[in-house]
Amino acid sequence: KAGVTQTPRYLIKTRGQQVTLSCSPISGHRSVSWYQQTPGQGLQFLFEYFSETQRNKGNFPGRFSGRQFSNSRSEMNVSTLELGDSALYLCASSLQAEETQYFGPGTRLLVL
Amino acid sequence: GENVEQHPSTLSVQEGDSAVIKCTYSDSASNYFPWYKQELGKGPQLIIDIRSNVGEKKDQRIAVTLNKTAKHFSLHITETQPEDSAVYFCAAKGNTPLVFGKGTRLSVIA
Repeated sequence: KAGVTQTPRYLIKTRGQQVTLSCSPISGHRSVSWYQQTPGQGLQFLFEYFSETQRNKGNFPGRFSGRQFSNSRSEMNVSTLELGDSALYLCASSLQAEETQYFGPGTRLLVL
Repeated sequence: GENVEQHPSTLSVQEGDSAVIKCTYSDSASNYFPWYKQELGKGPQLIIDIRSNVGEKKDQRIAVTLNKTAKHFSLHITETQPEDSAVYFCAAKGNTPLVFGKGTRLSVIA
């Protein structure tokens, strides 16, 4: 079974731009969570989706948003990028909302 | 909310020795404790997990112990090998989303 896939793997943007990241969960998994990983803050929860509904949201500004489609694929969007948004963005999928999470390889975003 | 502390932040061991990483959590409602291994350029990989109704779980060279009274859990790796070198993260989950520790960089010296 294929693992979690994330596209693109690397991205360079400039301040003020917006970006959309994509995540395809493991086949059959209906829950997708997003995390931001930085050297200083570690792994921080962004949001969780299950059956196209946002179940939880982390402590991030409204510039960070996401959605999930009927095929369980998910996207996250960051608008008005800031230098501090440079990070590895990780997507994790699970069979159900409370089940074990499996991570993708991440999208490394660099904001200049 | 939940807070997870992880120690040590770095750990160096000789090949063949054991490695122990410890985590403490604050929320007594937490009932699920996974451990992830992250290699350079990759996403975290689940290596073992434990639920609160179990005190210990083992999978080959890896074991996890949980002490709910003291709110701490530990990862034990025996007979370490160079390929065990990576960053290890503990996490806890209860009524909140997964909360991660800051990670431990393990170096296994051949």
